Amino acid sequence: GAVVSQHPSRVICKSGTSVKIECRSLDFQATTMFWYRQFPKQSLMLMATSNEGSKATYEQGVEKDKFLINHASLTLSTLTVTSAHPEDSSFYICSARDRQGGNSPLHFGNGTRLTVT
Amino acid sequence: RKEVEQDPGPFNVPEGATVAFNCTYSNSASQSFFWYRQDCRKEPKLLMSVYSSGNEDGRFTAQLNRASQYISLLIRDSKLSDSATYLCVVMVVNNNDMRFGAGTRLTVKP
Repeated sequence: GAVVSQHPSRVICKSGTSVKIECRSLDFQATTMFWYRQFPKQSLMLMATSNEGSKATYEQGVEKDKFLINHASLTLSTLTVTSAHPEDSSFYICSARDRQGGNSPLHFGNGTRLTVT
Repeated sequence: RKEVEQDPGPFNVPEGATVAFNCTYSNSASQSFFWYRQDCRKEPKLLMSVYSSGNEDGRFTAQLNRASQYISLLIRDSKLSDSATYLCVVMVVNNNDMRFGAGTRLTVKP
């Protein structure tokens, strides 16, 4: 079945540094990928929609200059958390749909647990 | 009003019970519907798509009511392993607009 690979699965960084998270669709092409954040015991929150070859669309309240998204190819989107702070510590998850579309579902990466110290 | 709303939960049921979740959506242009389950500290995983005529997969039955704009998930003979958060996802295919419910937490107890 369709697989989305997310890397790294866990990262610990110091406050002020930047962290890049990769999301790859392994056996399908995705013109659109989605990035979410989830705090403990809370629901998934859509952060942004990543569009191949164009700018990402950010949800209200998400700072585009802090969460840089690059969707350079049909199989790769990256999220960079710039100048990370402890409050950015969270579980970040990406998802993607097959560009063939139709009623194909979303497939999720295995998530990245970010801890900022 | 949220675009996708789910039963708030949590649902705590004994093993063997039947439990049903509902999810309402506001966008009448929505075309595709899914149920996902998410285990603690894990990513959501597709449980089943929801088809217009309703569909069943073992102990799980999904239904769609377009007129009333809701989908449902029925779990029969619940198992301890069914304990998870269940998310409904509603999608407008043409613009890749996908919306999630906040999730309903289910705990099945022995």
